[in-house]
Amino acid sequence: EVQLVESGGGLVKPGGSLRLSCVASGSTFSTYSMTWVRQAPGRGLEWVSSISGTTGYIYYADSVKGRFTISRENAMNSVYLQMNSLRAEDTAVYYCARGYTLRDAFDIWGQGTMVTVSS
Amino acid sequence: EIVMTQSPATLSVSPGERATLSCRASQSVRTNLAWYQQKPGQAPRLLIYGASTRATGVPARVSGSGSGTEFTLTISSLQSEDFAVYYCQQYYNWPPYTFGQGTKVEIK
Repeated sequence: EVQLVESGGGLVKPGGSLRLSCVASGSTFSTYSMTWVRQAPGRGLEWVSSISGTTGYIYYADSVKGRFTISRENAMNSVYLQMNSLRAEDTAVYYCARGYTLRDAFDIWGQGTMVTVSS
Repeated sequence: EIVMTQSPATLSVSPGERATLSCRASQSVRTNLAWYQQKPGQAPRLLIYGASTRATGVPARVSGSGSGTEFTLTISSLQSEDFAVYYCQQYYNWPPYTFGQGTKVEIK
């Protein structure tokens, strides 16, 4: 059974940076697209960023464009989210999720990692 | 950007009864529509994709229907484990992928 495990969350001051990681079990990681979705406390789900499996396509929500960078290291079965210039409104649980391709639903989700931006 | 609107915001249902949740898209998403279930403190779980295909392990009492702009998630006989928040999501026209605001199914 494929599992996704996120790490890297924590408390950071406004303007600071944080790097989230998501490690996947299984041997076919490179063929799947990977996505970060966040959920602010008591709120709904918000798509943040996606990266394709092997073709290198990358997309960002307008709310994070220019501040966040998604990347992947297929040899390590990992996807990352580098978050810079963090704001209070970035406070959320960040989930990584898998899709067969960018045109598919997100079939596997990690347990999430909490990011709190506060002074 | 496609806006997804779910109704109602909260649905109060007795165990064993049917629950019907609605999701409307601001423009056609064909059948590129997914439903997710989320319980408190847990990650979302994929229930339905392609508007009507159950994901692996999802019980037959859960069904999805619709196409274009109108979609429905039906749980035919609510069990205790079904009380949760449900989100619809379109993956037809992206970025951005967009989610509805959620419907909370609570015990009546």
